[in-house]
Amino acid sequence: EAQVTQNPRYLITVTGKKLTVTCSQNMNHEYMSWYRQDPGLGLRQIYYSMNVEVTDKGDVPEGYKVSRKEKRNFPLILESPSPNQTSLYFCASSFIRGNTEAFFGQGTRLTVV
Amino acid sequence: GNSVTQMEGPVTLSEEAFLTINCTYTATGYPSLFWYVQYPGEGLQLLLKATKADDKGSNKGFEATYRKETTSFHLEKGSVQVSDSAVYFCAPGSYNTDKLIFGTGTRLQVFP
Repeated sequence: EAQVTQNPRYLITVTGKKLTVTCSQNMNHEYMSWYRQDPGLGLRQIYYSMNVEVTDKGDVPEGYKVSRKEKRNFPLILESPSPNQTSLYFCASSFIRGNTEAFFGQGTRLTVV
Repeated sequence: GNSVTQMEGPVTLSEEAFLTINCTYTATGYPSLFWYVQYPGEGLQLLLKATKADDKGSNKGFEATYRKETTSFHLEKGSVQVSDSAVYFCAPGSYNTDKLIFGTGTRLQVFP
C-alpha cells in the first residue's frame, strides 16, 4: 500500500530538548516536504527536498533542520524546540516537483511546554 | 511564484444543501489543479484534480472545473452530507516551481 508514515503521532516535550520527527515513504518519490498547520494560517511549508542530499528552505524554516540521506526518508529535526513550535506537522511526498498529486502522512501533533 | 486564495470558513450547511467553495490562483504556466480534503484527525488526501483548461475533476459527488480565463477552480457539490464535514484545501501544482503550496483551507460543517 502506497503510504507516507510519520512518527510519532503525538509528542509532548520541554523547551530546548532536541527531537526528531521521522517521515518515510514507499512510493519512490523524489519530492518530499514538511508543513506545519496552525489555526487560521493553513499549511505553511518548512523545508522541502527534490532528491537525495538536495534540500531547501520553505516559508518558515527557522528553528528546524532536515536531512535527506536516503530517498525514502526525510526526518524533521528540532534542535532546541520552543513553545511557538507547538503545532500540527505533516510530511508529504510526490513525484517530480509540484505538478502531481501529493501524499500526506497522518500528522504529528507536537506540544512544547 | 504561485499563490492561491480560498474563501474563508467555516462554511455551515444543512444536510442536502448545495456547496460552493471558491478558489482562485496565480501561477506561471498551466499547472494541474487539486482539491485535497482533511477529515478530523487525519492528514490531507486528494479529493479531485484537473490537469488542463476546461477539465472537470470529480469524486464522491464533488466537482471542480479548471477555468483558465478566470484562474479559478471552485469546488461544488449538489447535496452535502454530514460525513462531508472536513477541511478542504485548494492547491495548484506547477512544473516550474519547487514549492507545492496550499490555500488556507476552508472548514465545512454539515448539520443534520
